[in-house]
Amino acid sequence: EADIYQTPRYLVIGTGKKITLECSQTMGHDKMYWYQQDPGMELHLIHYSYGVNSTEKGDLSSESTVSRIRTEHFPLTLESARPSHTSQYLCASSEWGRVSEAFFGQGTRLTVV
Amino acid sequence: AQSVTQLGSHVSVSEGALVLLRCNYSSSVPPYLFWYVQYPNQGLQLLLKYTSAATLVKGINGFEAEFKKSETSFHLTKPSAHMSDAAEYFCAVSGGNTPLVFGKGTRLSVIA
Repeated sequence: EADIYQTPRYLVIGTGKKITLECSQTMGHDKMYWYQQDPGMELHLIHYSYGVNSTEKGDLSSESTVSRIRTEHFPLTLESARPSHTSQYLCASSEWGRVSEAFFGQGTRLTVV
Repeated sequence: AQSVTQLGSHVSVSEGALVLLRCNYSSSVPPYLFWYVQYPNQGLQLLLKYTSAATLVKGINGFEAEFKKSETSFHLTKPSAHMSDAAEYFCAVSGGNTPLVFGKGTRLSVIA
């Protein structure tokens, strides 16, 4: 079944640790995105990619980094986690096309203590 | 550049009553508009999208939205609210091959 997967769903980690949030999709989509969702619900685009070896920063400045080595995989990395990184991170993908909607994973809720 | 404004961070309706969630957009190019729903601890699910083919768009779960260019609006409605409609609702806009820009969301509560 075509889908988009995020792991882990929940993560509690100590300050200073390096973490990688995984995102994979089986729909063959070229475009992938990371959104950060704060407790007030608002979603902010932090990274996006339009294909392999293509990554761009979004509207919200983030200390995280991303890579796109394979079409289906778009991991997000924090080199040194801080409490300010506590948030929900949502991964999404879409196909090329002017009216293509984004398909979302279930999200990773990150807590940095 | 594109942006959306959702009027009302929280809307409360009685079961069986009309649901109206408001969204106004701003776009420098013809917009493509979307409504998403988010249930607790879940990702976002597409309810419907406006593609310029028709101004009245029907979506899943009995929801529909009407694109009004003169009012720069794309309000979401449902004739009769159900308890299962309680969730967060997001309006989003795209100018074409650009990432979706989301509104701040509206929390819908349904009272029995």
